[in-house]
Order: sequence, then C-alpha cells, then structure tokens
Amino acid sequence: GIQVEQSPPDLILQEGANSTLRCNFSDSVNNLQWFHQNPWGQLINLFYIPSGTKQNGRLSATTVATERYSLLYISSSQTTDSGVYFCAAGASSGGGADGLTFGKGTHLIIQP
Amino acid sequence: DGGITQSPKYLFRKEGQNVTLSCEQNLNHDAMYWYRQDPGQGLRLIYYSQIVNDFQKGDIAEGYSVSREKKESFPLTVTSAQKNPTAFYLCASSAQSVEQFFGPGTRLTVL
Repeated sequence: GIQVEQSPPDLILQEGANSTLRCNFSDSVNNLQWFHQNPWGQLINLFYIPSGTKQNGRLSATTVATERYSLLYISSSQTTDSGVYFCAAGASSGGGADGLTFGKGTHLIIQP
Repeated sequence: DGGITQSPKYLFRKEGQNVTLSCEQNLNHDAMYWYRQDPGQGLRLIYYSQIVNDFQKGDIAEGYSVSREKKESFPLTVTSAQKNPTAFYLCASSAQSVEQFFGPGTRLTVL
C-alpha cells in the first residue's frame, strides 16, 4: 500500500515566522489531503490537493504528483496555528474511493 | 445542519465486552470510513464502505466488525477479540473518489 512520510516531526517557531511542512508519498495517488488536528482531536480539512497549487488566506499547498511530494506553507504564523498537521494520501480501486493513508504528522508550536 | 456525528464522545468498556460506536452522516455521501488513532500517531484505516451493504477491510480490521444497512449510518463494533482497543476512533465520509470529511471522534477506554 501507499506509504506517507512527513517532515519535520516537530517544529517550533516564533509568532510571525513562515514555515514549510513536507509530505512524501510512495505511489501514484488521486487523493491528497492536509488536515489540522485541534486540541479536542477534530480533524479540520485544510486542502484537498492531489495536484497543483491552492491558497487559502495565510495557508497554501502545492502537490507535485510526478515527484510524489506535497508541501504546506504557513505564512505569518499565529499562536492559533499550533497543533498537529497531517498529510494523507489515497487511491481509488474499481471506481470507488479507498481509505486514506496518514503520515505521522508534524507537531507545530508557535511561541508568542 | 449537515455533517458527521459520532456517539458517544467518551466510552468506557470492561475487558471482554463488545461495544458499538455510532457514526451518522447527512451529507448524502456514498462512502464511509473508520479510522483509529493512538497517542502521538497518525490515523490507521479499520474498515471502509463505498456503498450500502458492502464494506472492505482496512489495514487493521482484526477485532472489529461493521455493517452498512443504510447510506447514512456506519456503526463500528469493537469486539473482545481486539487486544488493545483503547484509542481515539474517527469516522469519515466522502462522495465517491473525493475529499474525506471527519466526525468529532469517540474516545474509547478499556478499564
């Protein structure tokens, strides 16, 4: 099955700094998602991005499917950006959607 | 309000008991999924269903069972055969082949 690796595992930054989180995946995918897990455990959808580039406010993401990696950019970090960021990848079989394979996450801490 | 609901939020189980976790969605999504998360780890796929009355095992299906009798509902039973059931369980749904959305989760503790 697909393997997903995220880096770095931990990241500590000062408020206002920019950060780049990386996700490598081992096979062709047709689903690539980035999530932020809040302190209560809820997974918040950030991007659905199997290829290309998207932006949403201070966050943006790029997936280069041919090279099997995705990047999540956070600009002008705020303390509320702290938490765990997950990348997850998936493929389809028989026309349906299989489950996602998750990386182990990047634990981001933004200090005031 | 459209979304995915899971109940209960917290669940305590004695060893040897089966328990059933509820997952309901009103998004008219065809596919539903169950994942397990252990502390400090990513999520792992337990079971998924792409259509009513059909489901497939994920990576860690041993000790779990599911049913999909209605499009809106995908309950997960944690059986006594599951050796280490204490974990955070998350349910998700998606329209075919696109973005998955997650419920708030159920924290299961075995006493």
